Amino acid sequence: EDKVVQSPLSLVVHEGDTVTLNCSYEVTNFRSLLWYKQEKKAPTFLFMLTSSGIEKKSGRLSSILDKKELFSILNITATQTGDSAVYLCAVVSSGGTSYGKLTFGQGTILTVHP
Amino acid sequence: EAQVTQNPRYLITVTGKKLTVTCSQNMNHEYMSWYRQDPGLGLRQIYYSMNVEVTDKGDVPEGYKVSRKEKRNFPLILESPSPNQTSLYFCASSLFPAGGRDAFFGQGTRLTVV
Repeated sequence: EDKVVQSPLSLVVHEGDTVTLNCSYEVTNFRSLLWYKQEKKAPTFLFMLTSSGIEKKSGRLSSILDKKELFSILNITATQTGDSAVYLCAVVSSGGTSYGKLTFGQGTILTVHP
Repeated sequence: EAQVTQNPRYLITVTGKKLTVTCSQNMNHEYMSWYRQDPGLGLRQIYYSMNVEVTDKGDVPEGYKVSRKEKRNFPLILESPSPNQTSLYFCASSLFPAGGRDAFFGQGTRLTVV
């Protein structure tokens, strides 16, 4: 059974802090790993990672994948209150007759206080 | 405007009464998928579809059916809903399997089964 585990489940920080969110996975036929941000609505896309060791960066957010150790991290530097959200990690794998199976972690609830 | 439309947005129903949640996209996307979201469990994939007449099970398909007779529509059918299917449901579509940057999510359907 495919499994994606995120840690921590919840994190409370103050503005300006740097946070690291973790995502480990055990899936067969790995294709890619996705990070999403979810506020009070549908998830919004952050990163897609397919290659090991290559950092993806967007402003204060960055992410990297380690396919050997089967994990990814999402870093947020100089956090702001607008970063408060649930961060979801998902792994795309092959399943059934086609590929497109998506397994999500439980999510990390990040709260940033002013 | 590019969008994924789910209906209804909110639904309260009784155990055993068949219901359908519709999902429609206007972007000619081949890939569509259904998820349910429950507190502490994150998003879990129910079914996905790579194209017309091609559907596959996700992680939690029990109690659900789907069909993909046309590219734009991917309804979720609960033949005999039970209280453990009370959840927030999301439909998503993308050009490529499992999405990434081009994935669009619907607004969500909050279902309560009493």
